[in-house]
Amino acid sequence: AQSVTQLDSQVPVFEEAPVELRCNYSSSVSVYLFWYVQYPNQGLQLLLKYLSGSTLVESINGFEAEFNKSQTSFHLRKPSVHISDTAEYFCAVSLTSGGYNKLIFGAGTRLAVHP
Amino acid sequence: KAGVTQTPRYLIKTRGQQVTLSCSPISGHRSVSWYQQTPGQGLQFLFEYFSETQRNKGNFPGRFSGRQFSNSRSEMNVSTLELGDSALYLCASSLAAGEDYNSPLHFGNGTRLTVT
Repeated sequence: AQSVTQLDSQVPVFEEAPVELRCNYSSSVSVYLFWYVQYPNQGLQLLLKYLSGSTLVESINGFEAEFNKSQTSFHLRKPSVHISDTAEYFCAVSLTSGGYNKLIFGAGTRLAVHP
Repeated sequence: KAGVTQTPRYLIKTRGQQVTLSCSPISGHRSVSWYQQTPGQGLQFLFEYFSETQRNKGNFPGRFSGRQFSNSRSEMNVSTLELGDSALYLCASSLAAGEDYNSPLHFGNGTRLTVT
């Protein structure tokens, strides 16, 4: 079975500071990796995903995540955060075969950006 | 292009009742998945439908059921409601079956169900 652990439930940070949201996963088979963001009273939006190829993936709004197979991690980073980045962030995995849309989510990390 | 639409947005029901939630996927999307989000259990996969067939199922009791229509719209039904069924129910659609790796899940804003 697969599982996802997000090591921090809450991360407070000041505006323009760097941030890292940590994600570790456990799986006996190969998986795809995702980061989703959820703003208050909204659904989830895909931030970025790792399917194959380069282990460093980037989103259009400055986030990046690096797949580390040996450490089974997929940490999310941003060098300089904005107030608008305040949201809950979810790391997720899915099977590479027969279950792409069946996501297993971590518990989420609430990012609070302060001025 | 309109996003994933879920109705109703909010719902209050009493224990023992049943409820039906509706999801209209993005036009052209054939896969619809349902997730339950609660503070205690987080986000959990309920089931996925593709071309009116259930492709994957999560670990929920049989009180939770769903279906998909020929126009890809989907409904989710919960019978004999329990207090623990109070949650945000999210629907997500994607363009194709699971082999299209470039087809991400698009989530709706959810239906918040409160069971009293």
